[in-house]
Amino acid sequence: NAGVTQTPKFRVLKTGQSMTLLCAQDMNHEYMYWYRQDPGMGLRLIHYSVGEGTTAKGEVPDGYNVSRLKKQNFLLGLESAAPSQTSVYFCASSYGQGGSEAFFGQGTRLTVV
Amino acid sequence: DAKTTQPNSMESNEEEPVHLPCNHSTISGTDYIHWYRQLPSQGPEYVIHGLTSNVNNRMASLAIAEDRKSSTLILHRATLRDAAVYYCILRVTTSGTYKYIFGTGTRLKVLA
Repeated sequence: NAGVTQTPKFRVLKTGQSMTLLCAQDMNHEYMYWYRQDPGMGLRLIHYSVGEGTTAKGEVPDGYNVSRLKKQNFLLGLESAAPSQTSVYFCASSYGQGGSEAFFGQGTRLTVV
Repeated sequence: DAKTTQPNSMESNEEEPVHLPCNHSTISGTDYIHWYRQLPSQGPEYVIHGLTSNVNNRMASLAIAEDRKSSTLILHRATLRDAAVYYCILRVTTSGTYKYIFGTGTRLKVLA
């Protein structure tokens, strides 16, 4: 079982460049989430999705866009990368019902120079 | 959204029990209490969760205060592999949708 897979695992961008991070899950989960983690801090929610075709803003959405065209995929886009977006990005998914647990990917380490 | 407060770090001796505390004084009635742990260079890993009653699983136990304003994750016998950052998280319900809100976590050091 693959679980939650993030692509790519590492990336270096120049300021102003754009890129898309891909998250794929094979558990038929309704909910998907994008978080960022900065050194010494917990994870902060960027955007999330409660189902195919729906997205919502989290705690730190500025500078990011997302899309959920297929239930199994959740894309995080940076239109014009800034050094402040240097971080480790984690994707997660869950069923959303009851108290269900979240499953996390292994992370994408992004550096913006 | 409700938030959690945890000590920055704790130490434990190997083979001894560990009690990791968490305060969540602004928790709402429908918020679930989750615990995850994160090993270096890995994504968070689910440990346990509960709503009102104490919970046990093969990894740990979760003790929830009667007023739900605090909880404690209990590792019954710490091993070196349990060294990680432990996050107490609230799974909050807002307008019928669910989000996982992280605190800053407790770094657990296990001494051999």
